[in-house]
Amino acid sequence: GAGVSQSPSNKVTEKGKDVELRCDPISGHTALYWYRQSLGQGLEFLIYFQGNSAPDKSGLPSDRFSAERTGGSVSTLTIQRTQQEDSAVYLCASSLEREGADTQYFGPGTRLTVL
Amino acid sequence: EDKVVQSPLSLVVHEGDTVTLNCSYEVTNFRSLLWYKQEKKAPTFLFMLTSSGIEKKSGRLSSILDKKELFSILNITATQTGDSAIYLCAVVYSSNTGKLIFGQGTTLQVKP
Repeated sequence: GAGVSQSPSNKVTEKGKDVELRCDPISGHTALYWYRQSLGQGLEFLIYFQGNSAPDKSGLPSDRFSAERTGGSVSTLTIQRTQQEDSAVYLCASSLEREGADTQYFGPGTRLTVL
Repeated sequence: EDKVVQSPLSLVVHEGDTVTLNCSYEVTNFRSLLWYKQEKKAPTFLFMLTSSGIEKKSGRLSSILDKKELFSILNITATQTGDSAIYLCAVVYSSNTGKLIFGQGTTLQVKP
C-alpha cells in the first residue's frame, strides 16, 4: 500500500469492554511503533516492534495493554477492560529499519472513545 | 527525566506573516530531532536534523538545530491558511529502539 493504514478509524466502546486496534505498516518496513495522543497532549510512545519481536514495551501504561505483530507486518494493539482514561487517538508508525532510517511514517490513527 | 518542550503552545497569525516555532530538549543519548505537521490525524514528516548549524529547507519552511544549547527552531515564511496545523517536535533516542519523545505541539492558526 501507499502508506500506513489503521482500522477502525473510530471506535466507541463501553467501559470494561476489550478492543483491538489494527495497523498495516508500509510494505517492507521492519520497524513498527504504537503511540497514543490524548486530547491536547503530545504523542506518547507505547511499544516498538522490530520484525515480530518487541524489544521495547516500556511505554505500555498498564498490563491491560498488549500488542503483537505477526509475519513482520500487521500489528494489533489490544486494550482489555477499557477505562475512560484510555480514550485517545492511537497512532501507528513504521520505518524501514531502526538503524538506517529515523523517519517514521504515521497512519491516520484510531480514535477510541470509552463511554 | 527526558523531555521535549515546545513553545508557544498556540499561535494565531495572518497570512503573509513569518512565524518561528521553538523546541527545546533534555534527552540522554540524543540521536536526531524531527519535525512533523499534523493537520487532521496522521503527522506528516517535515525535517530530520542531526547536525548543529545546518539549515534544512523546504519551500517556505526551514529548520535548524543547536546541539550545544539543545534546541531547534522551525521557521515558516509568508504563511498561508494551509499552514494551519499542529507542529510537533520529536527527539529520537540513540538506543536499541528508535522511539520518539514528542513535545506537546504548537497549534498554529493562520487567518486570511
